Amino acid sequence: AQKVTQAQTEISVVEKEDVTLDCVYETRDTTYYLFWYKQPPSGELVFLIRRNSFDEQNEISGRYSWNFQKSTSSFNFTITASQVVDSAVYFCALTPTGNQFYFGTGTSLTVIP
Amino acid sequence: DVKVTQSSRYLVKRTGEKVFLECVQDMDHENMFWYRQDPGLGLRLIYFSYDVKMKEKGDIPEGYSVSREKKERFSLILESASTNQTSMYLCASSSTGAIYNEQFFGPGTRLTVL
Repeated sequence: AQKVTQAQTEISVVEKEDVTLDCVYETRDTTYYLFWYKQPPSGELVFLIRRNSFDEQNEISGRYSWNFQKSTSSFNFTITASQVVDSAVYFCALTPTGNQFYFGTGTSLTVIP
Repeated sequence: DVKVTQSSRYLVKRTGEKVFLECVQDMDHENMFWYRQDPGLGLRLIYFSYDVKMKEKGDIPEGYSVSREKKERFSLILESASTNQTSMYLCASSSTGAIYNEQFFGPGTRLTVL
């Protein structure tokens, strides 16, 4: 069975603080892909990153960074020096090399100016 | 620019009505998906399609049907709308060859069934 858990339902931070969004996944497949999407208030999900199960190298893109650890089945997302524009719902998703994506329930991030 | 469009941003219908939600993508993608998004439940897959005239059930297909007569268009049909189908509906598409290619999403249709 495939499952993605985002235990943090809502997070509020003050602007310029760092924040980490947690994602824990379950799968029996040895080959799979993990994703993060951002859903701003406009509603459209925006792709942020894709990671395959064979690449545990952490990735940094500007203020965003991702920490993939197979040993703990986690794919956490950190925003450094948060900004008001980061306020959104963030979804973690999993897909094995199969039919469909499995999304977590999302984390709503509010950055307070 | 990659584009997935949905026919309406907001829709209000009455119980028992037949409802059509339309999705069009201009990226020549083979795969198209319909999700519903509810608070606390995330995105749940209703139906998906890998090719014209082809469809597969997702996790929650009951009460819904789909149609894909053309590659760029994927329609979600609520045969007889009910209040528990009040939700945000999201359409997505992706290229084939690799199912793990990222999905591109439309802006969503917020449907209210009275």
